[in-house]
Amino acid sequence: GEDVEQSLFLSVREGDSSVINCTYTDSSSTYLYWYKQEPGAGLQLLTYIFSNMDMKQDQRLTVLLNKKDKHLSLRIADTQTGDSAIYFCAERDDKIIFGKGTRLHILP
Amino acid sequence: ETGVTQTPRHLVMGMTNKKSLKCEQHLGHNAMYWYKQSAKKPLELMFVYNFKEQTENNSVPSRFSPECPNSSHLFLHLHTLQPEDSALYLCASSQDEGGVSPLHFGNGTRLTVT
Repeated sequence: GEDVEQSLFLSVREGDSSVINCTYTDSSSTYLYWYKQEPGAGLQLLTYIFSNMDMKQDQRLTVLLNKKDKHLSLRIADTQTGDSAIYFCAERDDKIIFGKGTRLHILP
Repeated sequence: ETGVTQTPRHLVMGMTNKKSLKCEQHLGHNAMYWYKQSAKKPLELMFVYNFKEQTENNSVPSRFSPECPNSSHLFLHLHTLQPEDSALYLCASSQDEGGVSPLHFGNGTRLTVT
């Protein structure tokens, strides 16, 4: 069945770039999403990319898609303490499949 | 007013109680979802409603009973729950069930079953 894999933890120093990686198995994915979940809150849509694109940039966020390798990444430039959260990768064909989430920890 | 509102935010209930979770969306969406989020597990899709009709029941035990009276409101009725049902229950909506529209989530109800 379809699957989305992410590493569970990432620690980054404040001011550095964070890169969160994701792999998926469904080759017919149409859209791929990044969601952010802060403590005590639901999932907030950060950005998404259509499967025929290979890059999307939105302020400090850059999404890279390698469709051949089924690899998606989210780069956060100049990481701030407010970026500390769990980041979920998700892919959609006829339904949305979520990864388990990557917990981003910011070091001072 | 946030797009998707869930009440209550926290709920503690005994195994013999009956309670309901409520979700309301103000986005004009046609599809609504219930997800369960437990520690160290992926998000689990429970139910999907599209235009008030249930289109997916992901093998959820009958002690969870959804209700969707209209496209803006979704309920999850709970009865005789087990301690392993303790989790964060998230409601979401999207423009439609299929297609490419992303999900918009509420802040969830943190449920503790004692």
